[in-house]
Amino acid sequence: AQTVTQSQPEMSVQEAETVTLSCTYDTSENNYYLFWYKQPPSRQMILVIRQEAYKQQNATENRFSVNFQKAAKSFSLKISDSQLGDTAMYFCAFNVGSSNTGKLIFGQGTTLQVKP
Amino acid sequence: GAGVSQSPSNKVTEKGKDVELRCDPISGHTALYWYRQSLGQGLEFLIYFQGNSAPDKSGLPSDRFSAERTGGSVSTLTIQRTQQEDSAVYLCASSLRGLYSYNEQFFGPGTRLTVL
Repeated sequence: AQTVTQSQPEMSVQEAETVTLSCTYDTSENNYYLFWYKQPPSRQMILVIRQEAYKQQNATENRFSVNFQKAAKSFSLKISDSQLGDTAMYFCAFNVGSSNTGKLIFGQGTTLQVKP
Repeated sequence: GAGVSQSPSNKVTEKGKDVELRCDPISGHTALYWYRQSLGQGLEFLIYFQGNSAPDKSGLPSDRFSAERTGGSVSTLTIQRTQQEDSAVYLCASSLRGLYSYNEQFFGPGTRLTVL
């Protein structure tokens, strides 16, 4: 079975500091994609960052970067210079490249609060 | 351009009643997904539509759940004889093509269903 685990239900960080959210996954596939989605109180899911498993280089998007450890099946999200607008629920998600549906498998989510 | 829209935003119903939830995907997106987000849980895949192909219904939790997509655009998720455990946020997403897993899924704001 393919699963995604986020072991931190809640986290908090002071504004301007750095925080790392953890995610591990389980799959026997070799070709897959990993995602971090942000869900603010408005419920609108927004893609934060994406990583292709065949790429060794970690993805970065402005203040957001990932630490992808394929052998350990770990995919953590680092948020630098945290802003109040980063307060949201963050979901790690995964799908299999050979899948013909592209459906996403999500973790339980981590609620992040950025404090002023 | 317009994003994915869903209606209603909130729905309160009595146990045993039928409900219909609507999703309008982004114009030109051939792939459409329904997910369910129960309180404190991650998103759970329900059903996937790709163009005129037969839908992937593997995530539907029971035969009380059904969905259709008319004309390759608007989709309706129907829950018959609602139960209290059906209470959740139902999210719809669309992407350009579901056959390629790296295609970003764009989510709607969801419908919060409460079954009394």
